[in-house]
Amino acid sequence: AQSVAQPEDQVNVAEGNPLTVKCTYSVSGNPYLFWYVQYPNRGLQFLLKYITGDNLVKGSYGFEAEFNKSQTSFHLKKPSALVSDSALYFCAVSPKHSGNTPLVFGKGTRLSVIA
Amino acid sequence: DTAVSQTPKYLVTQMGNDKSIKCEQNLGHDTMYWYKQDSKKFLKIMFSYNNKELIINETVPNRFSPKSPDKAHLNLHINSLELGDSAVYFCASSQRGGRSYNEQFFGPGTRLTVL
Repeated sequence: AQSVAQPEDQVNVAEGNPLTVKCTYSVSGNPYLFWYVQYPNRGLQFLLKYITGDNLVKGSYGFEAEFNKSQTSFHLKKPSALVSDSALYFCAVSPKHSGNTPLVFGKGTRLSVIA
Repeated sequence: DTAVSQTPKYLVTQMGNDKSIKCEQNLGHDTMYWYKQDSKKFLKIMFSYNNKELIINETVPNRFSPKSPDKAHLNLHINSLELGDSAVYFCASSQRGGRSYNEQFFGPGTRLTVL
């Protein structure tokens, strides 16, 4: 069975500092990996995805994520955090061999950027 | 020009009632989903439809009945509502294949409260 782990419930970072939100996955075969962000009382917004190719993926709002196959990780990063980045972040996985399968989400990590 | 829309945004009702949530997407996608987000923010797939046909039903009680009149709509009808049904329900859509593989677009959510 495929699964996603986000080991931190909460990440606090000062504005202007780099941020990392951690994600590890467990799937059979090669995964498709995603990051979504949820602002308060809003739906999920797509940030970025890894399908194949370059291990460093760049996404929306200055976010990027690094796929590391040996560590089965897909950590989300941003060089300089903004207060407006404060939100709930979800990592998700989909099996590569299946088309249009639902995403399996991690439990989410709440990011708080302090001015 | 909302991509995925849901109505209503809030739904407060009594135990035992029957209610429906509507979802529409104008992205031309061929697959639609319903996810449930509980009070701890866990997101879990409920149903997945591809071209109006049910392809996934994740051990959801049969009080929940999705209906897809066409590719652009996936409605969720819930019979005999229970307290445990209180959650935020998200509709999503995606397109099979192509460069946007399984990138799902989410609606704003419907917060259901059962009293």
